[in-house]
Amino acid sequence: GAGVSQSPSNKVTEKGKDVELRCDPISGHTALYWYRQRLGQGLEFLIYFQGNSAPDKSGLPSDRFSAERTGESVSTLTIQRTQQEDSAVYLCASNNVNEKLFFGSGTQLSVL
Amino acid sequence: DAKTTQPTSMDCAEGRAANLPCNHSTISGNEYVYWYRQIHSQGPQYIIHGLKNNETNEMASLIITEDRKSSTLILPHATLRDTAVYYCIVRVAFKAAGNKLTFGGGTRVLVKP
Repeated sequence: GAGVSQSPSNKVTEKGKDVELRCDPISGHTALYWYRQRLGQGLEFLIYFQGNSAPDKSGLPSDRFSAERTGESVSTLTIQRTQQEDSAVYLCASNNVNEKLFFGSGTQLSVL
Repeated sequence: DAKTTQPTSMDCAEGRAANLPCNHSTISGNEYVYWYRQIHSQGPQYIIHGLKNNETNEMASLIITEDRKSSTLILPHATLRDTAVYYCIVRVAFKAAGNKLTFGGGTRVLVKP
């Protein structure tokens, strides 16, 4: 596609449920990032994938958060047993190393 | 990566130049200055980056001081659509690992008619 695509654009879930957020990066981009942005706050790095290297998971806030990436394509961010503090916009970005980041429009997650 | 300091917010008049400052006093010799902006309800968008020399593109100009401890992003003729949060980031461009960008709080810019 022309840009980074994220789905769903909005997700409302109940506390304790698991959610999966999807990111389709720009075709050919080797690097993929997940960020979280709480209301009125800056971007918080979560995880970074680069080619076949081990992902940089240093930003994941707890073991309830995990992410997978299939080759150099789609990535899924999974949040297990969601909590209200997980409510945020989850942003995905992709690039080729040392090039500018292209961001998707994000998934707005609301945990009730 | 070096930390940056930006004003929390600023207003500017439509049609006028907007000058956004950024301090990065601990910047290293191999760290670049990047600017991104985030318009409401959208993902961040790349604007410009530079190392030492001033840079200009179709969106903005970047002025970096000679000692590289601060920089200014200039939007030459601000429009209402330039209302956004502007992030100044410094990082090494050619890192073998840890390619992530770290975003601070940014400057919330409001362009007024």
